Amino acid sequence: EDQVTQSPEALRLQEGESSSLNCSYTVSGLRGLFWYRQDPGKGPEFLFTLYSAGEEKEKERLKATLTKKESFLHITAPKPEDSATYLCAVALYNQGGKLIFGQGTELSVKP
Amino acid sequence: ETGVTQTPRHLVMGMTNKKSLKCEQHLGHNAMYWYKQSAKKPLELMFVYSLEERVENNSVPSRFSPECPNSSHLFLHLHTLQPEDSALYLCASSLGRTGPYEQYFGPGTRLTVT
Repeated sequence: EDQVTQSPEALRLQEGESSSLNCSYTVSGLRGLFWYRQDPGKGPEFLFTLYSAGEEKEKERLKATLTKKESFLHITAPKPEDSATYLCAVALYNQGGKLIFGQGTELSVKP
Repeated sequence: ETGVTQTPRHLVMGMTNKKSLKCEQHLGHNAMYWYKQSAKKPLELMFVYSLEERVENNSVPSRFSPECPNSSHLFLHLHTLQPEDSALYLCASSLGRTGPYEQYFGPGTRLTVT
């Protein structure tokens, strides 16, 4: 069964304390992996798409990487405004537009 | 308006009511989606429309009835819902159904069934 697991479920950081979020996947054929940010009461906001192992993408304090089994979202020197739930999703071959989402990591950054 | 919009943002309905959720995308996309998001659970895909044709229905109960009159608009008609249907309902759109293409989400409708 295709599965996406994110860890940890919740992460509390001090401002400036760098860390990483993990998204591990067990799927039959990865076509792409997506990272989203979701603020409370809002819809997910697209961050990155990764297509193949070894690929990396960066945006401000965020850097996403991909291996054959997992993806990491590295947060460098986070600020309180980075507090949100981060979602990982995968698209598979022969699944059309269907995305399989993980349960998310709730990040809290304290000043 | 830009991006994906949804109305209403909040909805409280009784189990015997009939209501509709509306989604509109201003991105020129060809595929639209309905998702259900419950607390502490991953997003669940409900329906997929590509060029106004329903291409996927993920075993969703018949009390949820989608409608896609054109590639910019998507509706979710609700009737005789159950309390466990209370959740955040999200609409999304993408350039196409195959790709893979990133999906862009609306702000959601918070539904409470009493």
